Amino acid sequence: NAGVTQTPKFQVLKTGQSMTLQCAQDMNHEYMSWYRQDPGMGLRLIHYSVGAGITDQGEVPNGYNVSRSTTEDFPLRLLSAAPSQTSVYFCASSYSPRGWGYTFGSGTRLTVV
Amino acid sequence: DAKTTQPPSMDCAEGRAANLPCNHSTISGNEYVYWYRQIHSQGPQYIIHGLKNNETNEMASLIITEDRKSSTLILPHATLRDTAVYYCIVLKIQGAQKLVFGQGTRLTINP
Repeated sequence: NAGVTQTPKFQVLKTGQSMTLQCAQDMNHEYMSWYRQDPGMGLRLIHYSVGAGITDQGEVPNGYNVSRSTTEDFPLRLLSAAPSQTSVYFCASSYSPRGWGYTFGSGTRLTVV
Repeated sequence: DAKTTQPPSMDCAEGRAANLPCNHSTISGNEYVYWYRQIHSQGPQYIIHGLKNNETNEMASLIITEDRKSSTLILPHATLRDTAVYYCIVLKIQGAQKLVFGQGTRLTINP
């Protein structure tokens, strides 16, 4: 089925560990982005990409790295996990970066202890 | 990008029309109004967007005032599955955009 696939769905990390959250889409969308959502709050943009090889920072980029080597994949790397990074992470893709028609993944629930 | 203001919560009876307001008094001429919703624990879902004319699709209608300073999202026959947080977002037309979510309105549809 077409859509945005995020893996894993759940993850527990120890402080200082690193990991990569995977995001893949099969809709040939150029625009992809990562958000985090803390309890009771709206989504905050971490990083985004307007195409393969092009990435840029969002509102809360510190502690995260991204790369975009293919159109389909946009992984998010946590360099050294901290408890403040406990959150639900959503990946999104869109044909256009203009704000409409974004498709979101089902999320990765990350806990850092 | 223009700031938006939405009520934190609203209730609506099942089967009735749900009207969700959004104030964007500082909107400029090159900014669209977008609506997304987030059903509990799921990723946000795109609903509709518009510039200055009223818009309708299979999910909802969007009414934008003539001065464009406010808008209303209308769910014509709300069901229990429409219970969600609804986000009103204003973005410029040109260039790569950062979809920024505020607090939204928590809409509860009651049986």
